[in-house]
Amino acid sequence: KAGVTQTPRYLIKTRGQQVTLSCSPISGHRSVSWYQQTPGQGLQFLFEYFSETQRNKGNFPGRFSGRQFSNSRSEMNVSTLELGDSALYLCASSLRQGYGYTFGSGTRLTVV
Amino acid sequence: EDQVTQSPEALRLQEGESSSLNCSYTVSGLRGLFWYRQDPGKGPEFLFTLYSAGEEKEKERLKATLTKKESFLHITAPKPEDSATYLCFLTLQGGSEKLVFGKGTKLTVNP
Repeated sequence: KAGVTQTPRYLIKTRGQQVTLSCSPISGHRSVSWYQQTPGQGLQFLFEYFSETQRNKGNFPGRFSGRQFSNSRSEMNVSTLELGDSALYLCASSLRQGYGYTFGSGTRLTVV
Repeated sequence: EDQVTQSPEALRLQEGESSSLNCSYTVSGLRGLFWYRQDPGKGPEFLFTLYSAGEEKEKERLKATLTKKESFLHITAPKPEDSATYLCFLTLQGGSEKLVFGKGTKLTVNP
């Protein structure tokens, strides 16, 4: 059974640029959620999608956005990158909201 | 304000030295409490989900328990491969899902 796949694994971007990260959930999982992880703040919830609808959103600025496609794959976009956006971005999928999250290995974003 | 606090922040054990990690919470309505372990550079790996006070779950050297205010992750006779960061987070009841995270406990088990 394939796990959650996140691409790319590593990314280096310049301040002011934008970036798109991709997450392919476990087959059959309709809920996809995104998280930012930094040494100082730990894991922080970004947003959750279920059946192409954003169901919940964390306390992040509007520069952070996402979407989910009909096949449950999800993308996260960060515009106008700042140095503080450097982090490990994790995606998790679950069969339904709030139960049994399976995480991907993450995308390590470095903003220079 | 909904809050999750994990303690200690870091813990060093000798191989075979049993101990416990704590996850205390103040939330409006708990739906589920999750324990995960995370190795450096990897995504968190699921360990346990607990839903109600009094519930206990075990897996190999790990045992998780839940009360109305806290959860413990007991590690019996740990081995070096148990070294990782252990994360606790909660999902809350309500119209929309909300997740509240602890900052983790970094466990190091020395041989």
